[in-house]
Amino acid sequence: QSVLTQPPSASGTPGQRVTISCSGSSSNIGSNYVYWYQQLPGTAPKLLIYNNNQRPSGVPDRFSGSQSGTSASLAISGLRSDDEADYYCAAWDDSLSGRGVFGGGTKLTVL
Amino acid sequence: EVQLLESGGGLVQPGGSLRLSCAASGFTFSSYAMSWVRQAPGKGLEWVSTISGSDGRTHYADSVKGRFTISRDNSKNTLYLQMNSLRADDTAIYYCAKKQADIVARGDFDYWGQGTLVTVSS
Repeated sequence: QSVLTQPPSASGTPGQRVTISCSGSSSNIGSNYVYWYQQLPGTAPKLLIYNNNQRPSGVPDRFSGSQSGTSASLAISGLRSDDEADYYCAAWDDSLSGRGVFGGGTKLTVL
Repeated sequence: EVQLLESGGGLVQPGGSLRLSCAASGFTFSSYAMSWVRQAPGKGLEWVSTISGSDGRTHYADSVKGRFTISRDNSKNTLYLQMNSLRADDTAIYYCAKKQADIVARGDFDYWGQGTLVTVSS
């Protein structure tokens, strides 16, 4: 059971806009930055969004992040076939002695 | 160019030990916190441990606390993970990951290694 909750799957057709949600609590998303990672099949994860809504250099502006209260979202516009991947949200959790936490991941299928 | 190269994975019996290494290059190693993240076969990502760059402060997931030890040698630009009392549920790909700054309490990992597979089985 992951500390951050994501839908296990999402889908869309090329050109569409899809969103992936990430639900947490006051000890993680509610008080710390959210990060999003893309993992293509057979590869290491890649940082997609940092500090809730910032894109690293090289990440297309089709990808955007938002955060409100104890929830966050990743939006992908102009969906492409090579966006098909697993997407994970992450944050620091202040409970106990502090720990990193991930969502369970969302498998995005481009139909 | 930032590069992270893990090594030391392999097959180990339950109860055994293994030490993973991560050789870093392309950045000032001592200026950044570093982490280990693992992924069991067909499963999601799980944060394992983080160590600060400057003062060596460490944090561990409850699932590995008391069994795993993270350390670093800034003179060798190398991160380590000593894993003792290994269990079947420790079987996973272990990724070394760099953080964006020397700040432990964030979920940021801006560069990842290719991972090394640890299999715990008799």
